[in-house]
Amino acid sequence: NAGVTQTPKFRVLKTGQSMTLLCAQDMNHEYMYWYRQDPGMGLRLIHYSVGEGTTAKGEVPDGYNVSRLKKQNFLLGLESAAPSQTSVYFCASSPRTHWDGANVLTFGAGSRLTVL
Amino acid sequence: GQNIDQPTEMTATEGAIVQINCTYQTSGFNGLFWYQQHAGEAPTFLSYNVLDGLEEKGRFSSFLSRSKGYSYLLLKELQMKDSASYLCAVVDSNYQLIWGAGTKLIIKP
Repeated sequence: NAGVTQTPKFRVLKTGQSMTLLCAQDMNHEYMYWYRQDPGMGLRLIHYSVGEGTTAKGEVPDGYNVSRLKKQNFLLGLESAAPSQTSVYFCASSPRTHWDGANVLTFGAGSRLTVL
Repeated sequence: GQNIDQPTEMTATEGAIVQINCTYQTSGFNGLFWYQQHAGEAPTFLSYNVLDGLEEKGRFSSFLSRSKGYSYLLLKELQMKDSASYLCAVVDSNYQLIWGAGTKLIIKP
């Protein structure tokens, strides 16, 4: 009963380096999301996907790219990391986007990224 | 603009009752969520309100007043494990989730 799994949990990067965060879900959910969480701010949506092979921009997409080649996986890439991308990143999934008490987000445990 | 306001931090005593408020100004309203997030962990779903009134789930209750743009989460018989951040999120007219910054709840023995 893994739910949503994120790797890695922690990473330190130097400015300009690239990296990929991996998210995997085993609930057969159609929708997947990448959020970032910063102190004093609400969760902000970076990118999301409404199904295999599709991606869309969220509220703060600049500096990030995503891919969803398989339904269960959603990758978040940073091509050239910047200190402003220091954050905790959460992946989430849901069966659909018509929100109600039965359709809720299931989050991964988070990936803490520091960019020096 | 869209705005969700929650107190930054609250302190309460084990065994007591605490009310965490959330006020919102959003473009439309299609529901409100409360999530719990323990330090260093994932947010987990607590409650969903779309109609006015009180929804009760064991020790936790959530209230909504759409006319006032206001919700609260009521936690009864507080336990040490309730120490966590509580996130309020509103579903706007485009079915986008708008998140508050969260309320850190500290429980003291």
